[in-house]
Amino acid sequence: DARVTQTPRHKVTEMGQEVTMRCQPILGHNTVFWYRQTMMQGLELLAYFRNRAPLDDSGMPKDRFSAEMPDATLATLKIQPSEPRDSAVYFCASGLAGGGNTEAFFGQGTRLTVV
Amino acid sequence: GDSVTQMEGPVTLSEEAFLTINCTYTATGYPSLFWYVQYPGEGLQLLLKATKADDKGSNKGFEATYRKETTSFHLEKGSVQVSDSAVYFCALTTSGTYKYIFGTGTRLKVLA
Repeated sequence: DARVTQTPRHKVTEMGQEVTMRCQPILGHNTVFWYRQTMMQGLELLAYFRNRAPLDDSGMPKDRFSAEMPDATLATLKIQPSEPRDSAVYFCASGLAGGGNTEAFFGQGTRLTVV
Repeated sequence: GDSVTQMEGPVTLSEEAFLTINCTYTATGYPSLFWYVQYPGEGLQLLLKATKADDKGSNKGFEATYRKETTSFHLEKGSVQVSDSAVYFCALTTSGTYKYIFGTGTRLKVLA
């Protein structure tokens, strides 16, 4: 049963620390999304990649956030330095653009708490 | 830019009641429209979709019709169950980009 895997599921860190979240997309998918979910803002698109190249990262605070795909099986989202306002659930999703089926498959999320 | 607007929640219904969650969109081109559902502690799952005007998506008793003239994609179910309690998200992607834009979500609570 193919699924998007995110690690860690939960992370508590102190303000100022670096945080790295990882995502393993479904094998064969060519598009990866990063979303942030908060009660106040809902689901915000931070960045998305096609064939490992960033297509749009306009939703991401550039001074502290960075997203990469070192290879087709791994996407990372880093926050350095972290701040309490970064506390949220971060979701990764993957899909196959151009394949006719436009469903995006979501991971279970990383719940980040910055104290 | 492209956007999705859905009704504010929470929506509280009794079991077997009729459900409608409104969703309207703004998009250039010809979007595909989706409803996703999120259960507590989980990621989003696709509930149904429609890719062109007048298409009706349906799944698990839920349905929604792509109305181009009113730019709407309202979610309906004739008889809700307690197990339908979740957060429902309306979303779109525009042709060529496959960039998902989500609404803010509507929390549904169904009481036994």
